[in-house]
Amino acid sequence: KQEVTQIPAALSVPEGENLVLNCSFTDSAIYNLQWFRQDPGKGLTSLLLIQSSQREQTSGRLNASLDKSSGRSTLYIAASQPGDSATYLCAVPIGNEKLTFGTGTRLTIIP
Amino acid sequence: EPEVTQTPSHQVTQMGQEVILRCVPISNHLYFYWYRQILGQKVEFLVSFYNNEISEKSEIFDDQFSVERPDGSNFTLKIRSTKLEDSAMYFCASSPWTGNNQPQHFGDGTRLSIL
Repeated sequence: KQEVTQIPAALSVPEGENLVLNCSFTDSAIYNLQWFRQDPGKGLTSLLLIQSSQREQTSGRLNASLDKSSGRSTLYIAASQPGDSATYLCAVPIGNEKLTFGTGTRLTIIP
Repeated sequence: EPEVTQTPSHQVTQMGQEVILRCVPISNHLYFYWYRQILGQKVEFLVSFYNNEISEKSEIFDDQFSVERPDGSNFTLKIRSTKLEDSAMYFCASSPWTGNNQPQHFGDGTRLSIL
């Protein structure tokens, strides 16, 4: 059974710093890994999808990496801003469909 | 950019009552999903739907739950007789097709509160 873990559960960093969020999964036979952002009381916004054949995927200040063999992904956020404060979730599909989510990292950027 | 829309944003219901949560997926998408998130817990898969039938469901999705695509645009989740433990945020998602490069797009969710 696939288990997805995100550590730390919460992270606070001063504005302007670069930071890395971690995601680990137990079954390396994945098709892709998706990173989401969730604002309090809101839905899930897809940030990046990184395919199993890729090692990195970039969107603006965000960079996601994937190491299937070690069961890890990281989300790098450059030059953090207060607007980046949110919970970040990673998710992997089981088979081709349903997503299994991590518990998330609650990120606070301190102005 | 096209969005998945969900209504209502918040539903308050007495225990034992039926509720219907509504979703309008992105128009050219073929695969539809419901997930739920109990406060403070992980987002959990409930059911996937394709070609007018359930393609997969979790053990949470028991006989109290049903899904329907009554017309070309809406996708609904019905809970027949609600329990206190059904209180959660319910998310609808859609994707164009399954495959290793297709992200699922989520709506803003319906917060269901059972009293």
